[in-house]
Amino acid sequence: SQTIHQWPATLVQPVGSPLSLECTVEGTSNPNLYWYRQAAGRGLQLLFYSVGIGQISSEVPQNLSASRPQDRQFILSSKKLLLSDSGFYLCAWSWGSEQYFGPGTRLTVT
Amino acid sequence: AQRVTQPEKLLSVFKGAPVELKCNYSYSGSPELFWYVQYSRQRLQLLLRHISRESIKGFTADLNKGETSFHLKKPFAQEEDSAMYYCATLTGGGNKLTFGTGTQLKVEL
Repeated sequence: SQTIHQWPATLVQPVGSPLSLECTVEGTSNPNLYWYRQAAGRGLQLLFYSVGIGQISSEVPQNLSASRPQDRQFILSSKKLLLSDSGFYLCAWSWGSEQYFGPGTRLTVT
Repeated sequence: AQRVTQPEKLLSVFKGAPVELKCNYSYSGSPELFWYVQYSRQRLQLLLRHISRESIKGFTADLNKGETSFHLKKPFAQEEDSAMYYCATLTGGGNKLTFGTGTQLKVEL
């Protein structure tokens, strides 16, 4: 069966520090992959999606970037974190119209 | 751009009462709509989709193209229904989803 992992589960980082959040999927090949940010009162905002290795589409301009170095690996990065980057980040995969979500990473930028 | 609106941030009902979580969408064509649910300390997961026309955990949702709505309904709320509910629609290529802002359902005893 397919599973999706995210790590770390929680992260506290100072402003200006770099960021790397990792997401991996098991049990499927060539999935579509997504990064969302979940904020109270703002729902789920799609940040990036990828339909294949090295193919990244950005949905909103921001301080973050994404990469897909392997078929089932999706990384969310930043060179210098801002306070406004704090939030709950969700990774998801799909092979059709239904999306399957990871457990999320709670990021606090101090 | 397609948009999904959930007007209620919080909906509080008593156990056994009917529940209706509102969702309106903006799309001129034939949308594909979903309800996702996130229970406390669990992952966000699909509850139901309009094309399957099924009832999941007693919930149903009917697509009303005239009113551009996809409200989620359950005749008798249970305590375990307390959760955050998101309405979503497919957007563009890549099977992207556009989510509403979510409604927190609280079922009180």
